Amino acid sequence: QVQLVESGGGVVQPGGSLGLSCAASGFTFSEHAMHWVRQAPGKGLEWVADISFDGFTQNYADTVRGRFTISRDNADNTVYLQMDSLKEEDTAVYFCARDLSFTAVSGLSDLWGQGTLVTVSS
Amino acid sequence: DIQMTQSPSTLSAPVGDRVTITCRASQSIGTWLAWFQQKPGKAPNVLIYRASSLESGVPSRFSGSGSGTEFTLTISSLQPEDFATYYCQQYDSYPWTFGHGTKVEIK
Repeated sequence: QVQLVESGGGVVQPGGSLGLSCAASGFTFSEHAMHWVRQAPGKGLEWVADISFDGFTQNYADTVRGRFTISRDNADNTVYLQMDSLKEEDTAVYFCARDLSFTAVSGLSDLWGQGTLVTVSS
Repeated sequence: DIQMTQSPSTLSAPVGDRVTITCRASQSIGTWLAWFQQKPGKAPNVLIYRASSLESGVPSRFSGSGSGTEFTLTISSLQPEDFATYYCQQYDSYPWTFGHGTKVEIK
């Protein structure tokens, strides 16, 4: 079925690194831009990053630019988020999400994964 | 960055009531606005896009309106399964930004 499944969350110390993966199935992954959105415990939604359908263009929120890297493998139907220099304020559930549009970035996500929890704590 | 301000932050209403949630953008976003519903421990689900278009499969009791900087989400007759948190999101320009959410509770 059409779905996104995130993995890779866990507990990491401040200053550490963690890599998240999101496996897509049931749709033509290579036709859609992809997003990562996070939600701190008890808080609202924050867009983190997106990547174009072909992987050539990435955009980041100011809060993560220079520390996080989004990438994708269209042959493997997977999008990644490499998180370095992690801070306690990066603690959140991280969702991957599919952009609504075909081959463009609309900014609107119509399919979301279930999320994976990242905890940054000493 | 475009700031999205939702009101109220919490809303208590009985089943069957008509409820309205407001979202204001700090600058004009045309109709590039979506509404999401999120239940505890779950991912958000899109209800409305382009300010007033109903996503496929979403009950018709949900409706959206507005343009520019003022938007509303209306639930015409609140049902038990509608108790959740609702977020607006602008997708006019980077960075994509969300409102802080409106929690709809049972009265």
